[in-house]
Amino acid sequence: GQNIDQPTEMTATEGAIVQINCTYQTSGFNGLFWYQQHAGEAPTFLSYNVLDGLEEKGRFSSFLSRSKGYSYLLLKELQMKDSASYLCASMDSNYQLIWGAGTKLIIKP
Amino acid sequence: GAVVSQHPSWVICKSGTSVKIECRSLDFQATTMFWYRQFPKQSLMLMATSNEGSKATYEQGVEKDKFLINHASLTLSTLTVTSAHPEDSSFYICSAKGREYEPQHFGDGTRLSIL
Repeated sequence: GQNIDQPTEMTATEGAIVQINCTYQTSGFNGLFWYQQHAGEAPTFLSYNVLDGLEEKGRFSSFLSRSKGYSYLLLKELQMKDSASYLCASMDSNYQLIWGAGTKLIIKP
Repeated sequence: GAVVSQHPSWVICKSGTSVKIECRSLDFQATTMFWYRQFPKQSLMLMATSNEGSKATYEQGVEKDKFLINHASLTLSTLTVTSAHPEDSSFYICSAKGREYEPQHFGDGTRLSIL
């Protein structure tokens, strides 16, 4: 079956670094996506990894290991506005996104 | 780039009313559009996938006669909730993508409240 696992909730301190992990099992693989969703709003696209390694985009970085079926989203210099849910999604062989349930990130001052 | 516009943002209507929600890709051609529903504090639930010019593919448990989807052009898809009832109240979100491997880009969502 297809499955995406990520922690339900994480708490971090403003200014710190947090790593949100995601493991996936999908029928085929065409990339791993991360989205941010603030409460009451629609998701917004953050990153896409299809090759192994780290992709850096400002304060956010995303890592992929295809052999381990593993990805993480790294958020640096956390700000209060980073409080949101972070959704991991794997694209299967049919180019369909399989969504994780999301990780709610709580930032404390 | 990759802007998706969804309209209306809010709908409040009486039970039994049909409600149409529009989803437009403003600066790209959307080969595929998706319709999701999200209840408070729950995950995104994919309702259906539609490709331009063909019938939508509905997920298991989603009534296609109740949730009518039309994807008549490469920039517009509509979702009509027919004879809506209070249990249909939810946050409905569309997304669109161009090529198969590209990310989905989301509209701002429509909050539907049925009285």
